[in-house]
Order: sequence, then structure tokens, then C-alpha cells
Amino acid sequence: AQSVTQLDSQVPVFEEAPVELRCNYSSSVSVYLFWYVQYPNQGLQLLLKYLSGSTLVKGINGFEAEFNKSQTSFHLRKPSVHISDTAEYFCAVTAQGGSEKLVFGKGTKLTVNP
Amino acid sequence: ETGVTQSPTHLIKTRGQQVTLRCSSQSGHNTVSWYQQALGQGPQFIFQYYREEENGRGNFPPRFSGLQFPNYSSELNVNALELDDSALYLCASRRGTSGSQQETQYFGPGTRLLVL
Repeated sequence: AQSVTQLDSQVPVFEEAPVELRCNYSSSVSVYLFWYVQYPNQGLQLLLKYLSGSTLVKGINGFEAEFNKSQTSFHLRKPSVHISDTAEYFCAVTAQGGSEKLVFGKGTKLTVNP
Repeated sequence: ETGVTQSPTHLIKTRGQQVTLRCSSQSGHNTVSWYQQALGQGPQFIFQYYREEENGRGNFPPRFSGLQFPNYSSELNVNALELDDSALYLCASRRGTSGSQQETQYFGPGTRLLVL
């Protein structure tokens, strides 16, 4: 079985500051990794995903994430945030070749202040 | 815009009632999954359908059931509603055959269900 831990439930930052949202996962098999964003009263939108290859993955809206297999981490970063980045961010994992389900963390609420 | 729509957007039911939630996917998206997102939590996998058959289920009781139709629409049915069923219900669809997990899942906006 897989599990995801998002280490921070809330992250407040000022506009134009860098941000890192942390995600650790647990799995006995190889996984695919995802970050989704959820704006208020909306569904989930894919930011980026790691399938294989380069461990640094670039996504939409200037976000990137780095897969670290030895530390079982997949942290999300953005060098300069905007007010519009205020949202809930979810890290998710699915086992390669296994059950189709995505296992999500509990989410990190990012609040960007002016 | 993900191309996945859900109806209704909001719904209020009383304990013991039954509810049907609907999802319409993009053409060609023959795999659909349903998730339950309780307040303040991440989504939890309910089940997945591929070519109109259930091919994976999470830790949910049998009173949660689904249907998938050839026109890329699907339903989630919940019988004997309980207070803890209050949540946002999300459907997600994708292309590809069973096992094509690397294909992106596109989520709908969800149906918010309140059980009183």
C-alpha cells in the first residue's frame, strides 16, 4: 500500500517570495508522483507529474518538483509566488503496474499575502 | 477547463436517503474514477470503471456503487446515506487502457453533498 505525508498543513508567504511545499511518500514498489492544485470551490488541476527520467519536473504556472528516491520525497517549489497561487495543493502517488487509484496527502494550504 | 462536468453542483439529503451523482467526461476518456473529499482532507479513492466495468475499489462499503455508460458519462450512487457521507465528490477521467496510469486524470469540479 502507498501513503503520502504532506508535512505542512498551512504555508503563509509574501508575494514574490520563494516557496517549498513538502511531500514524502511510502511505497514498497515503484510509483508515479503527482502534484494537484485546488482553487476554492473547484476540482483538482494537475500541476506536474513524475513518471520516469529526469528527477526535476517542470509544471504549469512556474512550479517545479524534484523526485528524491532515497528520501522518498517529491517537494514542490516555486521561485516567486503570486497572490493568484493561493490555493490548496495536494501531493498524490500511484503504484506502477498496480491498482489504478491515486493516494493523496491531506493537502497544504498556501496563502500568498501582499 | 478540464472537459469534465459534474451535476448537480450542490445537494442536500437526509440520512437514509439515496443519491445519484453524475459525471460527463471528454470523448475518448474510457476510464473514470470517483473520489470522496471530506472537509479538510485529501480525496479518497472510491472506485474506478473501465469500459463500463468496475476494475478497482477503495475502502468503501457496497452501498457505494457506480455505472459507466458508452457515451463517456458515469454515475455514483449512494444508498442509505449517513451523516459521514457529507463531502465533495469528484470524478476524474482519462484516456488509455487499464493500467495506463501515466495518463493524466482530469478532474471535474465536484458535487458537494450535505447529509442532514
